[in-house]
Amino acid sequence: EDKVVQSPLSLVVHEGDTVTLNCSYEVTNFRSLLWYKQEKKAPTFLFMLTSSGIEKKSGRLSSILDKKELSSILNITATQTGDSAIYLCAVEAWAGAQKLVFGQGTRLTINP
Amino acid sequence: EAQVTQNPRYLITVTGKKLTVTCSQNMNHEYMSWYRQDPGLGLRQIYYSMNVEVTDKGDVPEGYKVSRKEKRNFPLILESPSPNQTSLYFCASSPFSDGFYQPQHFGDGTRLSIL
Repeated sequence: EDKVVQSPLSLVVHEGDTVTLNCSYEVTNFRSLLWYKQEKKAPTFLFMLTSSGIEKKSGRLSSILDKKELSSILNITATQTGDSAIYLCAVEAWAGAQKLVFGQGTRLTINP
Repeated sequence: EAQVTQNPRYLITVTGKKLTVTCSQNMNHEYMSWYRQDPGLGLRQIYYSMNVEVTDKGDVPEGYKVSRKEKRNFPLILESPSPNQTSLYFCASSPFSDGFYQPQHFGDGTRLSIL
């Protein structure tokens, strides 16, 4: 059974701290790993990772995939209160069609 | 504006009363999908569609039906809703480009309460 596990499930930090969110997976026919940010409504896309060891970066956010360890991390530096959200990791598997398997999400709270 | 539109956004109804949640996208995407989101369980895929008239079951299809008669629309039908279908539902779509499906665009969600 395809599985994606995120840790921690919940994290509370102070503004300015750096956080690392983890995602591990077990899926057949891995195609890509995606990170989404979910505030009050729809998840919004952050990164798509397909190759191991290549860091994707967008401002204070960065992410990297380790295909050997079947895992990925999402780093946020100099956190701001606007970073408070649920961060979702999803793995795209191919089973004749695109199948997206989501983790439980990490609820990140940034206190001023 | 490129978007995925779901209706209704909120619905409270009773057990057994058939309901339909509509989903429409204006981006000409081939792939569309429905998810439900429950606390502690993340998003789970209900049904997906690779193109018109092509649909398939996701991980939790029981109690749901879908159809894809037109490329832009992908309604979710609950023929006889039950309280365990109370959840937050998301519709999503994505294009098919260079042999790969691209990241999905999500609608704003529909919160269903079945009493």
